[in-house]
Amino acid sequence: GAGVSQSPSNKVTEKGKDVELRCDPISGHTALYWYRQSLGQGLEFLIYFQGNSAPDKSGLPSDRFSAERTGGSVSTLTIQRTQQEDSAVYLCASSPPPPGQTQYFGPGTRLLVL
Amino acid sequence: RKEVEQDPGPFNVPEGATVAFNCTYSNSASQSFFWYRQDCRKEPKLLMSVYSSGNEDGRFTAQLNRASQYISLLIRDSKLSDSATYLCVVNTNAGKSTFGDGTTLTVKP
Repeated sequence: GAGVSQSPSNKVTEKGKDVELRCDPISGHTALYWYRQSLGQGLEFLIYFQGNSAPDKSGLPSDRFSAERTGGSVSTLTIQRTQQEDSAVYLCASSPPPPGQTQYFGPGTRLLVL
Repeated sequence: RKEVEQDPGPFNVPEGATVAFNCTYSNSASQSFFWYRQDCRKEPKLLMSVYSSGNEDGRFTAQLNRASQYISLLIRDSKLSDSATYLCVVNTNAGKSTFGDGTTLTVKP
């Protein structure tokens, strides 16, 4: 079946612009995660959606970052007024119920802020 | 102190060697444990889950020690294709997931 998909695969933007990154999870997966990975670094947790519960936003680095998940499926991560330090790979993952199961990752969006 | 800690390496080993990676976690409420593999410029992929009784998948053996909050991964008879970064992952039963920074393995001919 189809895996997790993310779009765009690459995004180059200018400092100060807003960007939207999209994630389509595997059908039936109730949990969705966003992570950020800078070059040569580990995964940095950003936000976690679990079913209809309030999302865990504890990893969002600033109020320029926000995410939503519509209809319990597709998710959009929005970065406002991008900065050069936002340049990284943004990875989305989904997992089936119950909570705590294996995560399946999308290929990521490579963001470069000039 | 990080919630999940791994020795970053790098581990450089010859083909055929046995190598072990360790991981410690601080959240005693952690319920599920995994090892992921990440190749250069690729997304992480599940290598294996880790069960309390220990589990084996071919050349790979994972063990969990809940009392010491410690997870290990043993790779026997290393292959060139095993070269990658190995990530330790710890989940709570609410689904909150924490990744270690990874241990880099290079297997050389």
